[in-house]
Amino acid sequence: ELKVEQNPLFLSMQEGKNYTIYCNYSTTSDRLYWYRQDPGKSLESLFVLLSNGAVKQEGRLMASLDTKARLSTLHITAAVHDLSATYFCAVAPRGAQKLVFGQGTRLTINP
Amino acid sequence: DSGVTQTPKHLITATGQRVTLRCSPRSGDLSVYWYQQSLDQGLQFLIQYYNGEERAKGNILERFSAQQFPDLHSELNLSSLELGDSALYFCASTPGGHTNTEAFFGQGTRLTVV
Repeated sequence: ELKVEQNPLFLSMQEGKNYTIYCNYSTTSDRLYWYRQDPGKSLESLFVLLSNGAVKQEGRLMASLDTKARLSTLHITAAVHDLSATYFCAVAPRGAQKLVFGQGTRLTINP
Repeated sequence: DSGVTQTPKHLITATGQRVTLRCSPRSGDLSVYWYQQSLDQGLQFLIQYYNGEERAKGNILERFSAQQFPDLHSELNLSSLELGDSALYFCASTPGGHTNTEAFFGQGTRLTVV
């Protein structure tokens, strides 16, 4: 059964700093997604990573995928308060329709 | 706005009752997915429908059922409700039957069972 693990689960950081959230998964997949969720709100799609070595960037966020290591990273550059949210990675197992989500990383950025 | 519409936004009901959650997918999307988000279980896939037919099943309880109608909207029926069913229920949609493209999520229905 596919398992998806994120770390850290909680991250408190200062504005202007850089940090990385890690997402490991247990079985073969070549489709990985990153979502953002604000408290009590819906899931907002950030990135879709469909192949080994894929790298995507949007503003201060950059995501990458290494299918051989079964690892994706979400890198935050020069964090700002508006990026405070919970970030989820989700993996689509090969041949399956569903998304399996990680536990989420609650990111708090302090002024 | 993702284009996926869920109603109602909030629902409070008593144990033992039955409720129906509704989802309208994005225009043109044929697949609808239901997910449950709770504090102890996280985000869990429940069930998927594609063009009116059940395509995949996840950790969905026997007390729960779903269907997708000819106009492609979907309903999730929850019966014999228990306190532990309190959660956020999300619907997502994609154009086809696979998640090769991103899934767009609705605003969710917050169910509180008292």
